[in-house]
Amino acid sequence: DAMVIQNPRYQVTQFGKPVTLSCSQTLNHNVMYWYQQKSSQAPKLLFHYYDKDFNNEADTPDNFQSRRPNTSFCFLDIRSPGLGDAAMYLCATSRDGYGYTFGSGTRLTVV
Amino acid sequence: DQQVKQNSPSLSVQEGRISILNCDYTNSMFDYFLWYKKYPAEGPTFLISISSIKDKNEDGRFTVFLNKSAKHLSLHIVPSQPGDSAVYFCAASAEETSGSRLTFGEGTQLTVNP
Repeated sequence: DAMVIQNPRYQVTQFGKPVTLSCSQTLNHNVMYWYQQKSSQAPKLLFHYYDKDFNNEADTPDNFQSRRPNTSFCFLDIRSPGLGDAAMYLCATSRDGYGYTFGSGTRLTVV
Repeated sequence: DQQVKQNSPSLSVQEGRISILNCDYTNSMFDYFLWYKKYPAEGPTFLISISSIKDKNEDGRFTVFLNKSAKHLSLHIVPSQPGDSAVYFCAASAEETSGSRLTFGEGTQLTVNP
């Protein structure tokens, strides 16, 4: 089945230690998104790639970076995780904004 | 500024009855609305959507109603089933924005009691 896969499902990292979350897709969608969802809050868009064009949300901290080496993969890099970065990170894809499909998410814990 | 709001954090209904989940938005540029369902430890899954040119869309037990003048939409589930118990997110997008990114509400936890 075509899908969006996020690895790992659960990630524990140390305070200040860089961490990378990964997302892959078999849908051949041209847009990939990273959302952050904290408990009982709305998922919040961090940034998205429209094809190769990177679009950062204005309030996304500089601590968060992203890479998209090809159509299928997208990475979320957190350079120096703080306790406030503990959250569920959701990757999603779409074809020009349609057919939005989410991965299962990565639950990040910062210790 | 929360552009999409779901004012009820939780809703509890009896099996077989109707569930009504509400959502309000403030951005008049939004022209496409979606409902997602999310189980614990899983990503949101698409449920139903509606374009701003319509006021109703139905898919089986799920119906979404859009009232543009009130900037309000609702999701009706009839009849409700215990398997419908999940968090429901309302989301909105504006077609002209790059990548049509979604703006989400905070979610409503629906519990359907047998």
